[in-house]
Amino acid sequence: DAGVTQSPTHLIKTRGQHVTLRCSPISGHKSVSWYQQVLGQGPQFIFQYYEKEERGRGNFPDRFSARQFPNYSSELNVNALLLGDSALYLCASSNDRHNEQFFGPGTRLTVL
Amino acid sequence: GENVEQHPSTLSVQEGDSAVIKCTYSDSASNYFPWYKQELGKRPQLIIDIRSNVGEKKDQRIAVTLNKTAKHFSLHITETQPEDSAVYFCATGGYNQGGKLIFGQGTELSVKP
Repeated sequence: DAGVTQSPTHLIKTRGQHVTLRCSPISGHKSVSWYQQVLGQGPQFIFQYYEKEERGRGNFPDRFSARQFPNYSSELNVNALLLGDSALYLCASSNDRHNEQFFGPGTRLTVL
Repeated sequence: GENVEQHPSTLSVQEGDSAVIKCTYSDSASNYFPWYKQELGKRPQLIIDIRSNVGEKKDQRIAVTLNKTAKHFSLHITETQPEDSAVYFCATGGYNQGGKLIFGQGTELSVKP
């Protein structure tokens, strides 16, 4: 079975630009959560989507948005990028809202 | 607010020794406590978890204990091996937390041969 996949692996953007990150959950899993991990820190929760609806939101500005598609894949969008948005963005897959979360390899975003 | 404190931030042990990492949390509604291992440049990997109706869980060399009254839980690794070297994160979750996991700051474990 394929695990959680994310694309792209690495991304370099400049301040003010927009970025879209993509995630495909484990087959059969209906929940996707997004986390931001800054170097040297634990992951910080951004969003959870379950059955295509937003079920949880972390303390991030409105520049961050996400959605989940009928096939349960998900996109994370970040507008008006700031230098501080540079981080590893992790997607986690779960078969429902409250069970184990399995992480993808992440997308390393660098904002110059 | 919701907070998870993790100690120590770094831990160095000799191969074969035991390692213990401790976490305390503030939200009494938390009822799910996973532990993740993250090797350099890789994804966090779920290694063990425990729910609030259980006080202890063991999986080979790894065990987790939970004290809900004191709001703390610990990871125990016995007979450590060099491949156990990584950053370990504790986290909390709960039915009222919208699927959110709150992570500790991480412990960098180094196992010296």
